Amino acid sequence: KAGVTQTPRYLIKTRGQQVTLSCSPISGHRSVSWYQQTPGQGLQFLFEYFSETQRNKGNFPGRFSGRQFSNSRSEMNVSTLELGDSALYLCASSLRDALNEQFFGPGTRLTVL
Amino acid sequence: KNEVEQSPQNLTAQEGEFITINCSYSVGISALHWLQQHPGGGIVSLFMLSSGKKKHGRLIATINIQEKHSSLHITASHPRDSAVYICAVTRLRGSQGNLIFGKGTKLSVKP
Repeated sequence: KAGVTQTPRYLIKTRGQQVTLSCSPISGHRSVSWYQQTPGQGLQFLFEYFSETQRNKGNFPGRFSGRQFSNSRSEMNVSTLELGDSALYLCASSLRDALNEQFFGPGTRLTVL
Repeated sequence: KNEVEQSPQNLTAQEGEFITINCSYSVGISALHWLQQHPGGGIVSLFMLSSGKKKHGRLIATINIQEKHSSLHITASHPRDSAVYICAVTRLRGSQGNLIFGKGTKLSVKP
């Protein structure tokens, strides 16, 4: 069974630009969660999607948004990038929710210059 | 105060030693997760537990719901165990899919 895939793996952007990251979950998994990891704050929950609906959202500004498609693939978008958005963005998929085992993708390393 | 606290933050051990990493939490939880992150970023889920004890190979995870405490033990540690170990919890109430993470414990096992 193929694992969770994320594209791109690395990305360099400049302040003010926007970025879209993609996550393909394990086949059959309907829940996709997104996390941000920085050296200072560690891992933080961004949002979770299930059946194309955002089910939960963390404490991030509205510049961070996402969506999920009918095939469970998910994208997250960050608009008006700031230097502080430089981070590793991880997505994880599970069958239904965080009460099921979460399978993480390799992450997208975003650098904002 | 963080809702999930781990100790120690850093741990250096000699190959073969028995290792314990601790996790305490202050919220009601449905489940607790132990994750492993190697350099480069990839995260692997080691355990998900809501009571008792689980064992997988040289790894053992325990949880005491009354004391809001969990431990991850590594027996006969090996240099390939060197990684960051992260404790995360799923809240008992509120939104599903919302994991709260500890800051992680960086383990280095010397040959």
